[in-house]
Amino acid sequence: DVKVTQSSRYLVKRTGEKVFLECVQDMDHENMFWYRQDPGLGLRLIYFSYDVKMKEKGDIPEGYSVSREKKERFSLILESASTNQTSMYLCASSKANYGYTFGSGTRLTVV
Amino acid sequence: AQSVTQPDIHITVSEGASLELRCNYSYGATPYLFWYVQSPGQGLQLLLKYFSGDTLVQGIKGFEAEFKRSQSSFNLRKPSVHWSDAAEYFCAVASMEYGNKLVFGAGTILRVKS
Repeated sequence: DVKVTQSSRYLVKRTGEKVFLECVQDMDHENMFWYRQDPGLGLRLIYFSYDVKMKEKGDIPEGYSVSREKKERFSLILESASTNQTSMYLCASSKANYGYTFGSGTRLTVV
Repeated sequence: AQSVTQPDIHITVSEGASLELRCNYSYGATPYLFWYVQSPGQGLQLLLKYFSGDTLVQGIKGFEAEFKRSQSSFNLRKPSVHWSDAAEYFCAVASMEYGNKLVFGAGTILRVKS
């Protein structure tokens, strides 16, 4: 089974801090994605990557950046955390057009 | 732009009753269709997917979904709901036209009463 591991389950950060959310997958998937999940809004795509060192903006990239230096790892960076970035963050990976496999999520609270 | 609509935010059914969760999409090209389930505090688990072929798709946990191109729908069904099915359900759509990015609906929260 593909495993997608998100390094933290819960995080509490202060406004203005730089925040790193890490995601690692173990099945050599080309595609990796970062979503945020908010009640009533479903999942919204922040950034995605089709290959190492490749990144593309999703629907809500503002305030975020990403890094993919190795195929198995995809990091989401909040350059200066704000309270409106309090949310559940979900990482996913996929091979071509197959269904995604999701991590368990990181619940981030910015105070 | 592509979009996915799940018109029901909450649904409550009795244990043992049948279930249908609705999903409509707006896409120009032939879509790939998915249903995911999320239990409280958990990540998303794939229930089933449709790429092509038979429009009635069987998934895990006794769920099935039917693709109806004429209605742009992909509704999820289960003939007899169990209390453990209480969760949030997400319909998602991807298309090669849009680089296979998954676009999600807002989700439907299922409550099961005994």
